[in-house]
Amino acid sequence: GQQLNQSPQSMFIQEGEDVSMNCTSSSIFNTWLWYKQDPGEGPVLLIALYKAGELTSNGRLTAQFGITRKDSFLNISASIPSDVGIYFCAGPTGNQFYFGTGTSLTVIP
Amino acid sequence: GAVVSQHPSRVICKSGTSVKIECRSLDFQATTMFWYRQFPKQSLMLMATSNEGSKATYEQGVEKDKFLINHASLTLSTLTVTSAHPEDSSFYICSARDPSAGRNSPLHFGNGTRLTVT
Repeated sequence: GQQLNQSPQSMFIQEGEDVSMNCTSSSIFNTWLWYKQDPGEGPVLLIALYKAGELTSNGRLTAQFGITRKDSFLNISASIPSDVGIYFCAGPTGNQFYFGTGTSLTVIP
Repeated sequence: GAVVSQHPSRVICKSGTSVKIECRSLDFQATTMFWYRQFPKQSLMLMATSNEGSKATYEQGVEKDKFLINHASLTLSTLTVTSAHPEDSSFYICSARDPSAGRNSPLHFGNGTRLTVT
């Protein structure tokens, strides 16, 4: 199956700092999704993007659908301890969804 | 919002036995459900697509005789790990889309099943 590449692989930041991560693919996607996964749980949807160039916010989270349709970015502003987790991007190919390699975020109080 | 329930959340079994994991869509009907496997510190890998009333579609490298999938109703898909071995120990997660939410509706996930084979 396809795999989406995320960077950075991991981040250690101070509480209050802003975070930026991205996801790239060799294929074009018409939908980009961003999920957060806490340990031992299933991923939870954060933001869905449906249009190239689209910029969507959800509270302190902002995500953008790249113009080339081959990338997407997720930003978290003013990080807090509960932002800790693994963030995954995902994109559909046909009826199936494939996930990025993940970005592990650690927030230091 | 769309809710997907998965059961059990944890299971420990002996090598050679079979384990069944259930995935239910609670407030929508899902003609298609997806099964993922996740090893520690790794991403989610799609194992198979479960299709209501027909055979599942397996990803390359996934043994269909080992990972039996049944999608007998519009709200229930089951994954049975047959003759489990320690290397099958992993986190299994199911997901589904609510088709009434549109063609590009996102996946919603269950809380996963931690399988440990001793």
